[in-house]
Amino acid sequence: EAGVAQSPRYKIIEKRQSVAFWCNPISGHATLYWYQQILGQGPKLLIQFQNNGVVDDSQLPKDRFSAERLKGVDSTLKIQPAKLEDSAVYLCASSSFMGVQNIQYFGAGTRLSVL
Amino acid sequence: ELKVEQNPLFLSMQEGKNYTIYCNYSTTSDRLYWYRQDPGKSLESLFVLLSNGAVKQEGRLMASLDTKARLSTLHITAAVHDLSATYFCAVDMVGNQFYFGTGTSLTVIP
Repeated sequence: EAGVAQSPRYKIIEKRQSVAFWCNPISGHATLYWYQQILGQGPKLLIQFQNNGVVDDSQLPKDRFSAERLKGVDSTLKIQPAKLEDSAVYLCASSSFMGVQNIQYFGAGTRLSVL
Repeated sequence: ELKVEQNPLFLSMQEGKNYTIYCNYSTTSDRLYWYRQDPGKSLESLFVLLSNGAVKQEGRLMASLDTKARLSTLHITAAVHDLSATYFCAVDMVGNQFYFGTGTSLTVIP
């Protein structure tokens, strides 16, 4: 079974530039998550999709971040314009809720450096 | 806002020793997960704890959950170098929203 795919793996941009990340979840997984992981911290949930609808985006800085999941499969996360404090690893995860168990499977992440 | 705290944040232990990592959370939940993260890698699921009193064991790691105390523990028995990693607990709230702990960076010294 293929895992969660993310691209690019690394991205370096200057502040005020735009950047986009792509995620392809595990086939059949209805729920998709985007997390921001700052160095030395735990992942912080940015947005959660159920199929192509948003379940929770309360921690997404909506003035600069946007995300979509067209057709309920792939997803993109965009930052426009980027700030220095956006430097982090952006993790995508997907899950298929099995009864009461909700194991999330994570991609390798995109490491963003904003200069 | 839900808070998930782990301690210690950093743990250096000798091979063969035992130790426990603690995960406290601030609101009611009966679903808790433990993940492992190796440097530069993504997160790997270790344990799923779904009810009060749940205990899971895999090799030298054992996890438990006390929902009344809002506490989970990850116990390491006879540590080996391969266990060096960062360990995260995550609380699963209504709507399947995960809140991760601060992480515990474990280094096992030969």
